[in-house]
Amino acid sequence: DTGVSQNPRHKITKRGQNVTFRCDPISEHNRLYWYRQTLGQGPEFLTYFQNEAQLEKSRLLSDRFSAERPKGSFSTLEIQRTEQGDSAMYLCASSAGLAGGETQYFGPGTRLLVL
Amino acid sequence: GEDVEQSLFLSVREGDSSVINCTYTDSSSTYLYWYKQEPGAGLQLLTYIFSNMDMKQDQRLTVLLNKKDKHLSLRIADTQTGDSAIYFCAFPAGREYGNKLVFGAGTILRVKS
Repeated sequence: DTGVSQNPRHKITKRGQNVTFRCDPISEHNRLYWYRQTLGQGPEFLTYFQNEAQLEKSRLLSDRFSAERPKGSFSTLEIQRTEQGDSAMYLCASSAGLAGGETQYFGPGTRLLVL
Repeated sequence: GEDVEQSLFLSVREGDSSVINCTYTDSSSTYLYWYKQEPGAGLQLLTYIFSNMDMKQDQRLTVLLNKKDKHLSLRIADTQTGDSAIYFCAFPAGREYGNKLVFGAGTILRVKS
């Protein structure tokens, strides 16, 4: 069990560019979550997958944000036409689901800075 | 909607006990969690308590739950400098069990040597 991994760990981009982040959950965890954390705040929920199905999306997830989990394993979060307000830490978490427990385990995060 | 409140800052001397408090609004949660975040890092699960318990002890950590007052606390015994971090309480909220976590803003714990 290698834990949740995220890549890249840091990303600096210019306003208007597209960025994509990857999350690899703990193997065999069927639930995967994305959160966003801004300075001085706790993480805020963005979206959630059960296997490959995206089951819930927050109002925070504007049309510029899209997340996928095509084979029910790793997930990607893409932000199109980035804005300075998108600068934040993007955290991924996974859990085993009802059969194996609901506790969410977090990755190290991807810190995004939009110039 | 769901809400979680925490005090923002706590400063203690090394070797003392630390108590971090949290109040919440949603009373339907089955589990309540404590996470630790060190600078620039992700969240590390510290401990959790099931809602039908009022206390849980795990080595230096003691979690107390007062469901009537919707109050959760984390006590760290013999606090060390390595305990300096931000501590978040969190509970699951949503239509489905085990759905998104709602977090407080975090309590910064500073341990002075």
